[in-house]
Amino acid sequence: EVQLVESGGGLVKPGGSLRLSCAASGFTFSNAWMSWVRQAPGKGLEWVGRIKSKTDGGTTDYAAPVKGRFTISRDDSKITLYLQMNSLKTEDTAVYYCATISGYRFQYWGQGTLVTVSS
Amino acid sequence: EIVLTQSPGTLSLSPGERATLSCRASQSVSSTYLAWYQQKPGQAPRLLIYGPSSRATGIPDRFSGSGSGTDFTLTISRLEPEDFAVYYCQQYGSSPSYTFGQGTKLEIK
Repeated sequence: EVQLVESGGGLVKPGGSLRLSCAASGFTFSNAWMSWVRQAPGKGLEWVGRIKSKTDGGTTDYAAPVKGRFTISRDDSKITLYLQMNSLKTEDTAVYYCATISGYRFQYWGQGTLVTVSS
Repeated sequence: EIVLTQSPGTLSLSPGERATLSCRASQSVSSTYLAWYQQKPGQAPRLLIYGPSSRATGIPDRFSGSGSGTDFTLTISRLEPEDFAVYYCQQYGSSPSYTFGQGTKLEIK
């Protein structure tokens, strides 16, 4: 059974930093393309970014609102995906989900972790 | 960037009825790149349909997807109580980018 478990969310002040983790199991993580998707309270879904598998280059891509502030990385030995968030803004407040990418869709999702950016 | 517009915003129906949800793209989208998700309160989204008519693993056959170009449809043939939720369409575009529609809330009438 595929499991994705996010952690690391919490309350942070504007301008601060936070690192989210996503522990994976039940599939071959090293072969998977992974993504982060967020959802502001009461709002819709917004793609944050993705990272390819190392065999496919391991490169990253980001949505415009987070480019230059957020960094996605992976540790295949720890079967974990990360999201480093810097220079946080109040509009980054959201539940952050990690998800596997299959084809052009998000196949499996974690339960999400809440990030609140507030002074 | 391609914008996806879902309609209606809210759909009120009764169990047993047929639901038709629309997703319109601002420009033509390859049907291979179109997917639908279901999200219940307090839960993560769940992949329902992709490609645009293939059901994900474990999805009942009362769910079906269709469409091409700029117009796509999710149909639920006979609503069950557990189907009342928010539904999102999603497309993959160049750059790369993944965009979602704003969602349709399917509520019990």
